[in-house]
Amino acid sequence: EVQLVQSGAEVKKPGATVKISCKVSGYNFIDYYMHWVQQAPGKGLEWMGLVDPEEGETKYAEKFQGRVTMTADTSTDTAYMELSSLRSEDTAVYHCATVGLFGNIYWGQGTLVTVSS
Amino acid sequence: EIVLTQSPGTLSLSPGERATLSCRASQYVFTNYLAWYQQKPGQAPRLLIYGASSRATGIPDRFSGSGSGTDFTLTISRLEPEDFAVYYCQQYGSSPPWTFGQGTTVEIK
Repeated sequence: EVQLVQSGAEVKKPGATVKISCKVSGYNFIDYYMHWVQQAPGKGLEWMGLVDPEEGETKYAEKFQGRVTMTADTSTDTAYMELSSLRSEDTAVYHCATVGLFGNIYWGQGTLVTVSS
Repeated sequence: EIVLTQSPGTLSLSPGERATLSCRASQYVFTNYLAWYQQKPGQAPRLLIYGASSRATGIPDRFSGSGSGTDFTLTISRLEPEDFAVYYCQQYGSSPPWTFGQGTTVEIK
């Protein structure tokens, strides 16, 4: 069974950095890109970017370029998303997700990040 | 970037009625990689349909997806009380980036 398990909720001050983890099981981690999606309170879903766990290559949405870093640790089958220079508008739930064989999509449970002074 | 436009914005129906939700893409969706999600307040999105027409594990057969190319439909054959929620479509065939529709709210009439 494919599972993506994310780290717990975080509370950060403006200007800080948050790093969220996403540990996978049930498939070969390097076979599929890992994507990250943001959902702010009361808003829709927004793609942030992806990391190729095998090559380490990344692609980021323009909105997050310069503040986001996505990485993958193949020794622990874990993907990470780091967002810096946090501001109140970054308060959101962040999800990792991947597309498996035959186009099925698997999501993590989400991590709530609250940015507040 | 592919823009997804969902219609209607809100659908007011009664339990037992049929719901038809539309998702139109601004460009061809490669390999028909189009998904539908259900989301209730305070919960994560729940995958209903992937690949335009394949039901995700555990999804009741009253949910069905159809369409190809640029026009896609989610149909709920008979609304149950627990089906009243927000529904999103997502394209993931022409990636990156993934893109999402703005959502359709299915509310109780």
